[in-house]
Amino acid sequence: AQSVTQLGSHVSVSEGALVLLRCNYSSSVPPYLFWYVQYPNQGLQLLLKYTSAATLVKGINGFEAEFKKSETSFHLTKPSAHMSDAAEYFCAVRISGGYQKVTFGTGTKLQVIP
Amino acid sequence: EAGVTQFPSHSVIEKGQTVTLRCDPISGHDNLYWYRRVMGKEIKFLLHFVKESKQDESGMPNNRFLAERTGGTYSTLKVQPAELEDSGVYFCASSYATGGRDTQYFGPGTRLTVL
Repeated sequence: AQSVTQLGSHVSVSEGALVLLRCNYSSSVPPYLFWYVQYPNQGLQLLLKYTSAATLVKGINGFEAEFKKSETSFHLTKPSAHMSDAAEYFCAVRISGGYQKVTFGTGTKLQVIP
Repeated sequence: EAGVTQFPSHSVIEKGQTVTLRCDPISGHDNLYWYRRVMGKEIKFLLHFVKESKQDESGMPNNRFLAERTGGTYSTLKVQPAELEDSGVYFCASSYATGGRDTQYFGPGTRLTVL
């Protein structure tokens, strides 16, 4: 079975500062990994996904994540936070083959301080 | 192209009543998924349709929940009778293919409150 752990349910950063949201996964088979974002009063939007190609994945809005197999991590970063980045971010895993369900982490709410 | 749509956006019902949630997937997407997020918890998988067939319903909490996808287009999720612990946000997602790398596109969710 696969699982995802997101460290920190709330993260605050200053506008212009580095954003780092942590995600560790557990999977017995090679995983596909995703970051989704939910802006206030909106649905889930895919930020980026790792599908066993390049380990550094670039997504929308300047976000990127690096797959590190040795650390079982898939942390999300953005060099400079913008006020519009305030949202809840979800790390998710899906195993290759087998059932298609996505397993989500508990989410991290990002606050950007002006 | 229209995204995944869900109706209603909010529903407030009394314990013991029945509620039906609807999801319209992206046109051409054979795969449809239901997820739920109970307050403060993670988003959890409920079930997966491939066209009109249930591929995986391992996440359905109990027999008070009934999901259908007649004709392989839109889907409904009925809760009957609703209990307090059913409150949460119900998300629907759809995808074109069944490969693991295929993206699931999510709808805005239906916020269900059971009083």
